Amino acid sequence: EPEVTQTPSHQVTQMGQEVILRCVPISNHLYFYWYRQILGQKVEFLVSFYNNEISEKSEIFDDQFSVERPDGSNFTLKIRSTKLEDSAMYFCASNGQGTATDTQYFGPGTRLTVL
Amino acid sequence: KQEVTQIPAALSVPEGENLVLNCSFTDSAIYNLQWFRQDPGKGLTSLLLIQSSQREQTSGRLNASLDKSSGRSTLYIAASQPGDSATYLCAVVGADGLTFGKGTHLIIQP
Repeated sequence: EPEVTQTPSHQVTQMGQEVILRCVPISNHLYFYWYRQILGQKVEFLVSFYNNEISEKSEIFDDQFSVERPDGSNFTLKIRSTKLEDSAMYFCASNGQGTATDTQYFGPGTRLTVL
Repeated sequence: KQEVTQIPAALSVPEGENLVLNCSFTDSAIYNLQWFRQDPGKGLTSLLLIQSSQREQTSGRLNASLDKSSGRSTLYIAASQPGDSATYLCAVVGADGLTFGKGTHLIIQP
């Protein structure tokens, strides 16, 4: 069964460094998403992406964040200058039809630790 | 702004029991509601999706109901098994995207 994959599974970085989290969505899916979950907190929406551009973003997704689909398979989340409070699990998700009624399929997550 | 609340926050029951997890949301203008399962350190697995026009969905031992007007959903798990132990998340899709509850941490005792 097709699945969303994410790399790395765990990333440790120093405060102020740039990190890039990578995702490979399910191959025929059209909409892509990033979410984060701070330890012990709710899963929070960051951004949605369709047709090579951001379709929606939350107030969390400030100028330090960017997303890109550099090729036909990868979808990346970049954090330019990491802060301690960026430590969280970051989940990528995708869905096929890109409508609000379609199921989103989640990857296993990348645990980001900022020291 | 949509708020999703899940009760109880944690639940521990003996194997074989039927149980109900509750989810409530503040804005009834939703497109659909999804129940997810999250295992420790893992991603989210979609269990059931209920469209706003539906009242329930069933998958195996799981049954989810939706009462959109009252802003409530329940997830019913029949004949619980130790393998059902996980955190169960409720999420609603509305105008501002997917909004999650904090989850119910479920432990099924063998």
